Amino acid sequence: ETGVTQTPRHLVMGMTNKKSLKCEQHLGHNAMYWYKQSAKKPLELMFVYSLEERVENNSVPSRFSPECPNSSHLFLHLHTLQPEDSALYLCASSQVLPGGSGNTIYFGEGSWLTVV
Amino acid sequence: RKEVEQDPGPFNVPEGATVAFNCTYSNSASQSFFWYRQDCRKEPKLLMSVYSSGNEDGRFTAQLNRASQYISLLIRDSKLSDSATYLCVVPSYGQNFVFGPGTRLSVLP
Repeated sequence: ETGVTQTPRHLVMGMTNKKSLKCEQHLGHNAMYWYKQSAKKPLELMFVYSLEERVENNSVPSRFSPECPNSSHLFLHLHTLQPEDSALYLCASSQVLPGGSGNTIYFGEGSWLTVV
Repeated sequence: RKEVEQDPGPFNVPEGATVAFNCTYSNSASQSFFWYRQDCRKEPKLLMSVYSSGNEDGRFTAQLNRASQYISLLIRDSKLSDSATYLCVVPSYGQNFVFGPGTRLSVLP
């Protein structure tokens, strides 16, 4: 299934590096998300873009910077990360219905990030 | 109260057993609910949607109790391949989806 694709699948970066995670959805959805999943913790919402506008930012540190150039693409720019930022970063998309409620959410395979 | 809470597990059951998980939610305005399955080191995948009182799909049955604000997932005739973490998901305000912490199931031979 290639509805939501993420690259790279694995990334190791130093604390002074700058890197980006890329996500592309082929489902025609109008909302995209970044979630973080650390070991033994629930999925944490980081950012939501609906119709290419950021609608939610859950107090994420500024060393994470999202970018949504169009409804099919989403980036997460990474800069001066800390070792505790090592986690699985999941991109997702959904179709937001009239009235603002969300429909089913579909995930990419995730990007495993290790900060050394 | 957390937005979405689940049985902590883990549940260790023999093949063929019936197992049920519960999930409680705090947002009484929620209209739709989902169960996702997440295998180790994989992304969550949709298992079932629950829009009314319940839904059944083969060995899996989801039930919704709006008055008590809980959703359950029943798995009958457990298979080894059912071993995974099961996530309860509740759409929240705006375009947010709130995920429960998950319940881990191990089906033993």
